[in-house]
Amino acid sequence: DAGVIQSPRHEVTEMGQEVTLRCKPISGHDYLFWYRQTMMRGLELLIYFNNNVPIDDSGMPEDRFSAKMPNASFSTLKIQPSEPRDSAVYFCASSLKGVEEGFGQGTRLTVV
Amino acid sequence: AQKVTQAQTEISVVEKEDVTLDCVYETRDTTYYLFWYKQPPSGELVFLIRRNSFDEQNEISGRYSWNFQKSTSSFNFTITASQVVDSAVYFCALTPDGVFGNEKLTFGTGTRLTIIP
Repeated sequence: DAGVIQSPRHEVTEMGQEVTLRCKPISGHDYLFWYRQTMMRGLELLIYFNNNVPIDDSGMPEDRFSAKMPNASFSTLKIQPSEPRDSAVYFCASSLKGVEEGFGQGTRLTVV
Repeated sequence: AQKVTQAQTEISVVEKEDVTLDCVYETRDTTYYLFWYKQPPSGELVFLIRRNSFDEQNEISGRYSWNFQKSTSSFNFTITASQVVDSAVYFCALTPDGVFGNEKLTFGTGTRLTIIP
């Protein structure tokens, strides 16, 4: 089975630019999660979806961050405009109730 | 509110030694799940184990074993006969067994384990 697929693996962008991170969850999973990992704050849950509906976005740091899940096989996390403090590794994960979360390999974002 | 504490920030042991990684959690939920994940230098998060709060039996998987003690809110992880490939950051995590299932994983800050050849 294919795992969670994230793209791109690495992204370098200039401050002020729009950044879009993409995620394809494991087929059949009905939960999708976006996490951010930084040295200072560790792993933080940003938002999660159930059946494509956002359930809890309380972890989204600012209005500059938005996430969508137009269908069961695709989600995006967008940062507009990006800032240097957004530099982090962003993980996407998916799960089915009672099944462990599978994580993608992460997108390392650097905003210069 | 949930909290996971991994007090050991970094551990170094010589290859073939046994090592235990501590995890202490706080939750008000009566049912919950506990997890361990491994993050090797390549960066991905690798699932190791999921344990339901009703199941306090210890588990062994090869060189890995887990000790779940509800009375002390601990879920410790032991690697026996450590190997260099075990070098990684290990995360303990907690989620309530709520309506939505595996929602809102709360992670500890991780323990960086270095195995010295």
